[in-house]
Amino acid sequence: AQTVTQSQPEMSVQEAETVTLSCTYDTSESDYYLFWYKQPPSRQMILVIRQEAYKQQNATENRFSVNFQKAAKSFSLKISDSQLGDAAMYFCAYPLLGTYKYIFGTGTRLKVLA
Amino acid sequence: DGGITQSPKYLFRKEGQNVTLSCEQNLNHDAMYWYRQDPGQGLRLIYYSQIVNDFQKGDIAEGYSVSREKKESFPLTVTSAQKNPTAFYLCASSTPRTGGTEAFFGQGTRLTVV
Repeated sequence: AQTVTQSQPEMSVQEAETVTLSCTYDTSESDYYLFWYKQPPSRQMILVIRQEAYKQQNATENRFSVNFQKAAKSFSLKISDSQLGDAAMYFCAYPLLGTYKYIFGTGTRLKVLA
Repeated sequence: DGGITQSPKYLFRKEGQNVTLSCEQNLNHDAMYWYRQDPGQGLRLIYYSQIVNDFQKGDIAEGYSVSREKKESFPLTVTSAQKNPTAFYLCASSTPRTGGTEAFFGQGTRLTVV
């Protein structure tokens, strides 16, 4: 069964420091996509970054980057130069191609300390 | 601006009542989804629809019903059969045909049983 696991319910990081959020997944597919979403206190889900499995290069969006390890089925999110506005719930997600279903992890709550 | 609109933002239901949550999108997306969010459980799929007049049960469909009479609209009814309806409900849409596209989310509806 396809699953997404986020093993860190909560993380804290000092402002301007770097933090890494973990995500592992299980799939039998060879070509797929992975996403990280951010849910701030407003509860609006916002796409942070996406990774295409057939691309070996890790995706990067400004201060956000991923460490994608396909063989290990690991998809971690690194936030550099953390800002107070980064405080939110972060969800790892995996869309099942051809089924229209997105599978979400249970989320990691990130606290940013001033 | 294109987007997804959920209404109302807050909804209160008495025991034994049915209530309907509205979701409208103007993104011309084929697929629409309803997720339920509870603390510590991430997002769980209630129903999804790939096309007008067609929809499928997700992982927690019991006590819920949907309709998809128009491409833009995917209302969710929480029936009296739903034993624990108090939760945050998120509607989303996407265009899975192109592969790898993210789901876009509305701002959510907080349902409380009183």
